[in-house]
Amino acid sequence: NAGVTQTPKFQVLKTGQSMTLQCAQDMNHEYMSWYRQDPGMGLRLIHYSVGAGITDQGEVPNGYNVSRSTTEDFPLRLLSAAPSQTSVYFCASRRGGRVGETQYFGPGTRLLVL
Amino acid sequence: RKEVEQDPGPFNVPEGATVAFNCTYSNSASQSFFWYRQDCRKEPKLLMSVYSSGNEDGRFTAQLNRASQYISLLIRDSKLSDSATYLCVVSRMDSSYKLIFGSGTRLLVRP
Repeated sequence: NAGVTQTPKFQVLKTGQSMTLQCAQDMNHEYMSWYRQDPGMGLRLIHYSVGAGITDQGEVPNGYNVSRSTTEDFPLRLLSAAPSQTSVYFCASRRGGRVGETQYFGPGTRLLVL
Repeated sequence: RKEVEQDPGPFNVPEGATVAFNCTYSNSASQSFFWYRQDCRKEPKLLMSVYSSGNEDGRFTAQLNRASQYISLLIRDSKLSDSATYLCVVSRMDSSYKLIFGSGTRLLVRP
């Protein structure tokens, strides 16, 4: 299994540009989520999905959209990039939403918005 | 106030030392607790879950104090390879079981 994969690894955007961060998992996990990690802030949840066709907002959803058309894929769209969105983005998945389940992370996407 | 608080460190210890990290959480309804490890510029990986009775995995011991709302991680006989950031994680008791991450404690183990 490849686990959780993310593309691209690095990206530089100009303010106002849009882009999609890709995330895929091959573990047939129902629960997927996107986090951003900023210095001193810890990982903050952007959006999450409990299954195909179902998404919900996390604590910092503004400026981001998600969709979950398949179990495997959970892309994150930046609608109009802003310098405040410069961060490291991690996608994660786990089998279900039950307490105690191990969450697996992708390798991250480092985004710089100029 | 952050929901999960950790001392950012860094903790700088010699090889072979014993080091302990604490973490406090503010939501008394938190249900599950974990320690994740994150190496520099890498993704977080689960180190161990934390159970009410305390649990041990080799050189690592985790404990939970629900009354005081803190979690601890003890690392014995530190190795150079233990150098990393340790993230305290709690899950809320709601239908989504979201994970809430602390900002991490950095550990540097020196030769």
